[in-house]
Amino acid sequence: DQQVKQNSPSLSVQEGRISILNCDYTNSMFDYFLWYKKYPAEGPTFLISISSIKDKNEDGRFTVFLNKSAKHLSLHIVPSQPGDSAVYFCAASAGDSNYQLIWGAGTKLIIKP
Amino acid sequence: ETGVTQTPRHLVMGMTNKKSLKCEQHLGHNAMYWYKQSAKKPLELMFVYSLEERVENNSVPSRFSPECPNSSHLFLHLHTLQPEDSALYLCASSQDGRAEWENTEAFFGQGTRLTVV
Repeated sequence: DQQVKQNSPSLSVQEGRISILNCDYTNSMFDYFLWYKKYPAEGPTFLISISSIKDKNEDGRFTVFLNKSAKHLSLHIVPSQPGDSAVYFCAASAGDSNYQLIWGAGTKLIIKP
Repeated sequence: ETGVTQTPRHLVMGMTNKKSLKCEQHLGHNAMYWYKQSAKKPLELMFVYSLEERVENNSVPSRFSPECPNSSHLFLHLHTLQPEDSALYLCASSQDGRAEWENTEAFFGQGTRLTVV
């Protein structure tokens, strides 16, 4: 049973538009959420995170929204750029140790010119 | 060199071979991890070392054997693997024990693409 779910395996967005990547979780103990970005043949790189005391965190073109009641978070990228084409992983953490990270299966984002 | 470095980048091995994957981190972190990434599946945590001690082993078959000689190096020794073990193996490091609300994350290497034939 997956505790972190990314239900869209892929997403195609026009350059300049907004990309919205979704993530759902089932464990109400999760208190910290992260998004990672992965290019082919590279390891994932940290993108943005949010703790459960917030409902929004913004960093440049990237904004993560957290809806605790719905156990849902989303990553917004605006405007989308060709370099944003990658696989995006959602991860969640419960407790004080980083090795509790639970990962989603990833969503492949394709930005069309 | 900075960050997390993994070698080799690609590895093809037979089922009777013995090989090792190497990971080195230059970030001063005290925790290191091995993950397995198979296509269209979540990252699977395999092993965790914190302060050079193994603190987690997620039911990984004994044909995978980790070694952490010091806080900067992590190995994954492979023997008698199966074709279903073919995957991307990622090493990561972090500073263990995050403070409350501290923005911490794991830093990943580029991975070793393993093919078992």
